[in-house]
Amino acid sequence: EDQVTQSPEALRLQEGESSSLNCSYTVSGLRGLFWYRQDPGKGPEFLFTLYSAGEEKEKERLKATLTKKESFLHITAPKPEDSATYLCAVRNHGSGNTGKLIFGQGTTLQVKP
Amino acid sequence: DVKVTQSSRYLVKRTGEKVFLECVQDMDHENMFWYRQDPGLGLRLIYFSYDVKMKEKGDIPEGYSVSREKKERFSLILESASTNQTSMYLCASRLAADTQYFGPGTRLTVL
Repeated sequence: EDQVTQSPEALRLQEGESSSLNCSYTVSGLRGLFWYRQDPGKGPEFLFTLYSAGEEKEKERLKATLTKKESFLHITAPKPEDSATYLCAVRNHGSGNTGKLIFGQGTTLQVKP
Repeated sequence: DVKVTQSSRYLVKRTGEKVFLECVQDMDHENMFWYRQDPGLGLRLIYFSYDVKMKEKGDIPEGYSVSREKKERFSLILESASTNQTSMYLCASRLAADTQYFGPGTRLTVL
């Protein structure tokens, strides 16, 4: 069964303390891995899409990487405004043209000043 | 920028009421989705639509129906609301490319 597991569930960092969030996946043929940021009470905001192992993408203090079994979201020198829940999702070959995504449970990041 | 809007941010309904949640996207996207999000359960797909008047059940369609009469609008209908349908409802849309873009969400409370 296709599955996405994110760890840790919650992460507390001091401002400036770099760290990584993990997204492990088992899917029948990866067609894309997606990272979203979600603030409390709001809809997820798209961050990155990765398609193949070795691919990396960056945006400000965030960098997403992909291997054949997992993806990491690296946060460099985080600021309090980076506090949010980060969601990982995958699309597999079985989704056809529907675009159906399989979501992980998310990692809630809190950055303290 | 892609824009997905939902008709209400907060909604309070009574058990047994018929509830309509509306979603509109302004980017001519073919595919639209309805999810619900609950603590500990993550995002779960209720229904999706890949074209006007075309729909498919997601993982948890029971108790819900949908309507897509125009390409830009996708409606989620709770025929007879129940307390276990209290949740955050999220609409998303995407073009042929993969990325789904989400609306701001509707927090529905059924009393």
